[in-house]
Amino acid sequence: EIVMTQSPATLSVSPGERATLSCRASQSVRSHFAWYQQKPGQAPRLLIYRASTRATGVPARFSGSGSGTEFTLTISSLQSEDSAVYFCHQYDNWPPRDTFGQGTKLEI
Amino acid sequence: DVQLVESGGGLVQPGGSLRLSCAASGFAFGTYWMTWVRQAPGKGREWVATIKEDGSDKYYVDSVKGRFTISRDNAKNSLYLQMNSLRAEDTAVYSCARDQKLGIDLVREGMDVWGQGTTVTVSS
Repeated sequence: EIVMTQSPATLSVSPGERATLSCRASQSVRSHFAWYQQKPGQAPRLLIYRASTRATGVPARFSGSGSGTEFTLTISSLQSEDSAVYFCHQYDNWPPRDTFGQGTKLEI
Repeated sequence: DVQLVESGGGLVQPGGSLRLSCAASGFAFGTYWMTWVRQAPGKGREWVATIKEDGSDKYYVDSVKGRFTISRDNAKNSLYLQMNSLRAEDTAVYSCARDQKLGIDLVREGMDVWGQGTTVTVSS
């Protein structure tokens, strides 16, 4: 099983600043990697897929980078509405054996 | 609106069974792979099962193989998860999700639509 490790568990950042969230895979997942945002009481929202491609409607403030085992989600010009849990997801295996990170709680 | 709504969760005794449903609306359900994901209290999300758009192929996490069955009825725009021989460790919020497709051969590129989830509690 590919283990996904996110850091930090919690991140507090001021409005207008930049947040950097990390996710590490226990083995290469190439670019078969996604980031999601989940706000309290809401369903998860796909932010980034293929490690760096923004999903439809996602603001350019959200950017993803990395490949292989190290991935980063950067959120610039933070706004209060960005407060949420962000989690990562690898979907590299075939047949499917997806795994997820534990999540990072971002507080603005 | 594109939407997924789960139902069927509840309290069940160890060894019991439960059938979860996921009603899809607002998109061509029969053309997408679909997935069940769960999150146990205080833990990260866990992929449970995935089914091909026509139901011909199904994939499961090892811990539920032989106990859970994923299925779908494309005429009813519905996804199901039949859960048998339930254990305490199956206690979780179960969510259905649509696998994003980018093309004929790119059918699982993240999960672009999620439901809110339904809670399953296995306890005596």
